[in-house]
Order: sequence, then structure tokens, then C-alpha cells
Amino acid sequence: GAVVSQHPSRVICKSGTSVKIECRSLDFQATTMFWYRQFPKKSLMLMATSNEGSKATYEQGVEKDKFLINHASLTLSTLTVTSAHPEDSSFYICSAFLAGGNTGELFFGEGSRLTVL
Amino acid sequence: AQRVTQPEKLLSVFKGAPVELKCNYSYSGSPELFWYVQYSRQRLQLLLRHISRESIKGFTADLNKGETSFHLKKPFAQEEDSAMYYCALRGVAYGGATNKLIFGTGTLLAVQP
Repeated sequence: GAVVSQHPSRVICKSGTSVKIECRSLDFQATTMFWYRQFPKKSLMLMATSNEGSKATYEQGVEKDKFLINHASLTLSTLTVTSAHPEDSSFYICSAFLAGGNTGELFFGEGSRLTVL
Repeated sequence: AQRVTQPEKLLSVFKGAPVELKCNYSYSGSPELFWYVQYSRQRLQLLLRHISRESIKGFTADLNKGETSFHLKKPFAQEEDSAMYYCALRGVAYGGATNKLIFGTGTLLAVQP
């Protein structure tokens, strides 16, 4: 199956700094990628839809200036958590849409755990 | 608004017992429903989708539009089925499908020996 890779898998940073997480589709091109946040109770929250070559579409309640998303190529989307604070500590997961067949399929990265001290 | 509800946070059964993971949805249009599974320390992966009407690893799920449900079932649970299960909905907008998936809060299935 298709592979989506995230980097880094774990990152620890100080409060106030910015952190960038990369999401790559390794063997296919994805015009659309999605960023999710997985909370300690294991619920998955869609943060935004990343569109190649255009602005990301954010879900209600997600701060676009806080979570910057860039989808500069068909295989790479980045999520930058700006001025991170401890409450931003979470597990961030990206997914990429592979078109094809009847409806296509979403493939998920392995996730990136962010810890803000 | 799109919403997926999984009422059970944890479902514990014994090996060989039947399993039913509940999922209800809310969507004004015609949705596509999916079940995703996340095994311990692994990434989220697609288990099955209602369009395919398939059985994967012994699991089946039937879309019931009258009850707006998409419960996941397996007649005989195995220990290796222990995992987190997420029900997800993808709305089909006018002019074509959107690709945005909305997830339920997940149900942890624990199969005891």
C-alpha cells in the first residue's frame, strides 16, 4: 500500500519556540493532505485540510496563525506550531489522499508527538 | 453538521465471544462510512468501508440509513483484534465527494484470553 511518512516522530521544545512537522507521501502524489490532532483520550480531531498550491482550510476553532500549514509540493505538507505552549503538547497525525478506484483512500502517517516544556 | 458518535470508550470481551462496536452518524446528505483500526504502536489504517461491502479479518459492518448506524461486528473475537477502532464519515458534497474524514472518539477493544 501507499506510504505516508512523518518527521520527526518525537520532538521536545521549550515554550515559545516554533516546531515544524513534515508529512510526506513517499510513493504517490497527494494534492490533498489532512492534519489531525490526537488527544490523550484518543479522540482524533481534524485540524485542517492542506491543499497543494493553495491555502489550507482550517476547521472551526483551529487557529490558523498558530498552526501554519504549507503544502508546497505534491508530496510534502508541513505543519508549524508557532510559539508553542504546553497545551499544544499532543500527537499530530497527517494523512494523504490517494485518488483512484471508486473513492480513493486515505493513508496515515505514523504520527508526531510534540512535548512543549 | 457531520458528526460521528461512538458511545463506548472501552469494550472488553473474552476470546471467542461476539463483538459489536457501535457507531452512529449525523449527516444531511449521503455519507460514506469507514472503520479504521489502530493497533498498539502502529499507525491508523483502513479496516473496511461500507461501499465495498467486504469482510476484513472477519469484521463486517452494514450501513443502516434508517438508524443512521454503521456498527462493526465480528462473530468470534480473537486476541489479536485488540486495538483502537475508529468509525469515520466522509461527506459527499454536490458535484462530487469531499475527502474530509470526520472521526468518532474511538472504542478500545480489549479481547481477553
